[in-house]
Amino acid sequence: DQQVKQNSPSLSVQEGRISILNCDYTNSMFDYFLWYKKYPAEGPTFLISISSIKDKNEDGRFTVFLNKSAKHLSLHIVPSQPGDSAVYFCAASAQAAGNKLTFGGGTRVLVKP
Amino acid sequence: KAGVTQTPRYLIKTRGQQVTLSCSPISGHRSVSWYQQTPGQGLQFLFEYFSETQRNKGNFPGRFSGRQFSNSRSEMNVSTLELGDSALYLCASSLWGPSTDTQYFGPGTRLTVL
Repeated sequence: DQQVKQNSPSLSVQEGRISILNCDYTNSMFDYFLWYKKYPAEGPTFLISISSIKDKNEDGRFTVFLNKSAKHLSLHIVPSQPGDSAVYFCAASAQAAGNKLTFGGGTRVLVKP
Repeated sequence: KAGVTQTPRYLIKTRGQQVTLSCSPISGHRSVSWYQQTPGQGLQFLFEYFSETQRNKGNFPGRFSGRQFSNSRSEMNVSTLELGDSALYLCASSLWGPSTDTQYFGPGTRLTVL
């Protein structure tokens, strides 16, 4: 039972354009959401997070949007750069469940110069 | 500050053997979590340790176990290895816990079971 899903396994975008990554979840208890980025042969690195009391969080080129009623979050990268080419994972946790992180399957992003 | 280190980086074992993986967290971090990454399943949570106690556990069989030492270093053990255990095993550390503060991942241990 996949509680966090990233339905697009891959995404290709031109440098300078917007990358939009989507993530859906089923557990309404989730109250904290994160995005991680992973390069080959490295561990994931934290990108940005959002708590369920907000609907948007911005950090430089990265913005995360949360739609609680739709149980959907998205990550926008503007403008996309070749160095953004990586696998992106969304993750969610519920305080009531002891802060365990549940990850989506990942979306591979390729930014073409 | 040194990052999260994992040893060994690569490991080849045969079915039925057992394996121990090691993780040294960032200095001062007390929470260590372990994840299994496979191509089909993404990152799956194994367990989390905090102050030498297992605080959280994922849905893995009892063949997967772990422990944490007083210096916060952690080990995970997999007994009676199966082909399906071939994966990248990642550990991550944080000050207090995976969703209360930023979690930092190590580079992983690539385990191949033949």
